[in-house]
Amino acid sequence: AQSVTQLGSHVSVSEGALVLLRCNYSSSVPPYLFWYVQYPNQGLQLLLKYTTGATLVKGINGFEAEFKKSETSFHLTKPSAHMSDAAEYFCAVSDRATNAGKSTFGDGTTLTVKP
Amino acid sequence: ETGVTQTPRHLVMGMTNKKSLKCEQHLGHNAMYWYKQSAKKPLELMFVYNFKEQTENNSVPSRFSPECPNSSHLFLHLHTLQPEDSALYLCASSLGLAGYNEQFFGPGTRLTVL
Repeated sequence: AQSVTQLGSHVSVSEGALVLLRCNYSSSVPPYLFWYVQYPNQGLQLLLKYTTGATLVKGINGFEAEFKKSETSFHLTKPSAHMSDAAEYFCAVSDRATNAGKSTFGDGTTLTVKP
Repeated sequence: ETGVTQTPRHLVMGMTNKKSLKCEQHLGHNAMYWYKQSAKKPLELMFVYNFKEQTENNSVPSRFSPECPNSSHLFLHLHTLQPEDSALYLCASSLGLAGYNEQFFGPGTRLTVL
C-alpha cells in the first residue's frame, strides 16, 4: 500500500524568502506524484505533477518539485514567497500498477507568508 | 460554466432531513469522485465513478447515497446524517482512472449537520 507524509503541518516564511514544503512517500514502486494547492473556500488545484522523465518538475505560480527516488521524496519549492502563496498544500501519490483512480493525499501543510 | 461546479456551496440540515449535493463537470472527463474533507483529518475518498459505473465505495455509511446519471453529473444524496458528518464535501473529475491523470476539484459544499 502506498502512503504519503508531509513533514510540518504549518510552515511560516517571510515574503521573498524560500518556500520549502516536504513530502515523502512510501510505495513498492515509484508512484505518480502530485502537488495541489487549496485556497480558502476553494477546491484543490493542481500545482504540478511527476509522471515520468525529468525529475525536476516546474509548475504554476513559480513552484517546482524534484523527484528523488533514493530519498523517496518530492519536496515543493519556490525561490521567493509572495503573500498570495498563503494557502494549504497537499502532496498526493497514485499507484503506477493499478488504474483505480485512487490517489492518496497527505495531511496538508498550511503555508503562512509574513509581510 | 467551466471546470467543476458544485451546488449548493453551503448547506445546513437537521439529522432527519434529506438533501442532495450536486456536482457537474464541463471538462469532458470520464471519472468522477466524492471526497470528504474534515478539519484536522486527511482528505477521505468516498466514491469513484468511471463512465457512470461505481468503481469504488470506500466503506461509506449507507446514509450517503451517490448517483451518477451520466459522466458529467454526480450527486450525493444525504439522509439521517450525524453531526460528525459535518465537513466540506468535494467533488472531483479526471480524464480517466489511470494514476497519471490529475484530478480537477470543485469548490466544495460546506455541510453542517445540526
